[in-house]
Amino acid sequence: QVTLKESGPVLVKPTETLTLTCTVSGFSLSNARVGVSWIRQPPGKALEWLAHIFSNDEGSYSTSLKNRLTISKDISKSQVVLAMTNMDPVDTATYYCAYTDCSTTSCYPGPPWFDPWGQGTLVTVSS
Amino acid sequence: DIQMTQSPSSLSASVGDRVNITCQASQGISIYLNWYQQKPGKAPKLLIHDASILETWVPSRFSGRGSGTDFTLTISSLQPEDIATYFCQQYDNLPLTFGGGTKVEIK
Repeated sequence: QVTLKESGPVLVKPTETLTLTCTVSGFSLSNARVGVSWIRQPPGKALEWLAHIFSNDEGSYSTSLKNRLTISKDISKSQVVLAMTNMDPVDTATYYCAYTDCSTTSCYPGPPWFDPWGQGTLVTVSS
Repeated sequence: DIQMTQSPSSLSASVGDRVNITCQASQGISIYLNWYQQKPGKAPKLLIHDASILETWVPSRFSGRGSGTDFTLTISSLQPEDIATYFCQQYDNLPLTFGGGTKVEIK
């Protein structure tokens, strides 16, 4: 059974860098046929895809946020990490990581869908 | 970026009613359109992929159709457990984009 769980700070200050960790189980990040994305949702608002990491460590990013985002993975720890620089109050949101099975569909240039998702972690940006 | 416009943003219907939610893409996306269901306080769950293919857990009262720019999610007979917000998502082009969501409530 594939599961994902997000962790990280609940509160960050403006201009700081946010680092979030997605710990996965039920699959290996070394598997060439899987992918993990980060998606966020401001309170009461819509979903926004942020980034995806492929099996070869290549990442794809949101156009509007690509200059602030870095996605990486640690296979030995079963973790995918998202770093977002220069945080602002508008970045307050629940951040989700999500899985894509690429064995039955192409994940290039990006994942087609997300299933399942982690439970999400709420990050508030405030001084 | 491809803009996804959902309507209505919210709706209230009675148990047993037929409910339609539409999603319009700013350019043609073939059938590369997914629907998610998000219950309050929970993560979204994939409901339908490729415009019309239901996930295995989804009741048959749900259906999806469309291609190109216009898509519809239908609940043929609304049930209390269908109370949720529904989002569409395109994957024809990066960046992946979602619609604004449709909140479904019981009248």
